[in-house]
Amino acid sequence: EPEVTQTPSHQVTQMGQEVILRCVPISNHLYFYWYRQILGQKVEFLVSFYNNEISEKSEIFDDQFSVERPDGSNFTLKIRSTKLEDSAMYFCASSTRDRAIYNEQFFGPGTRLTVL
Amino acid sequence: AQRVTQPEKLLSVFKGAPVELKCNYSYSGSPELFWYVQYSRQRLQLLLRHISRESIKGFTADLNKGETSFHLKKPFAQEEDSAMYYCALSGSTGFQKLVFGTGTRLLVSP
Repeated sequence: EPEVTQTPSHQVTQMGQEVILRCVPISNHLYFYWYRQILGQKVEFLVSFYNNEISEKSEIFDDQFSVERPDGSNFTLKIRSTKLEDSAMYFCASSTRDRAIYNEQFFGPGTRLTVL
Repeated sequence: AQRVTQPEKLLSVFKGAPVELKCNYSYSGSPELFWYVQYSRQRLQLLLRHISRESIKGFTADLNKGETSFHLKKPFAQEEDSAMYYCALSGSTGFQKLVFGTGTRLLVSP
């Protein structure tokens, strides 16, 4: 069964550095999302993306964040200058046109970002 | 405001006992409600959604609009049900973000 994949599984970076988190959504999916989960807290929505543009973003998704679909398969989240509080598990998700009606989102395994 | 509340961080039961994981929500309009599950070292996966009215792995959940609740129930818990359970909501018009609760860890002991 096709799955969403994410790389790397764990990223350690220094404060102020740029990081790019990568996701490969399920191939026939059209809608893409990033969520994050700070340790011990709830899963929070960051951004949704459709047709090569952002559809919705949360207050967390400030100017330090950007998303891109550089080719037909990858979906990336960039954090320009990481802060300590960006340390979290970042989840990518995708959904199809049909199932988007029901918002069945398929999640990747997550990337754990640690900012030192 | 959109909010999902799961009052229990941990629910511990014995195998064969009934289970009810509570979920209350706040949403202006008609949301869609979901339960996601995360087994140890696995990804978040959809368990069930209110619109399909299915029973998955013996779990059911009924949307109670009057009480704004979507509690997850299973009459006889199994050890393999041990996992993290997240209640979530979204708008009903499709392609909407998910708003999650804080999750409840279910531990089923033999």
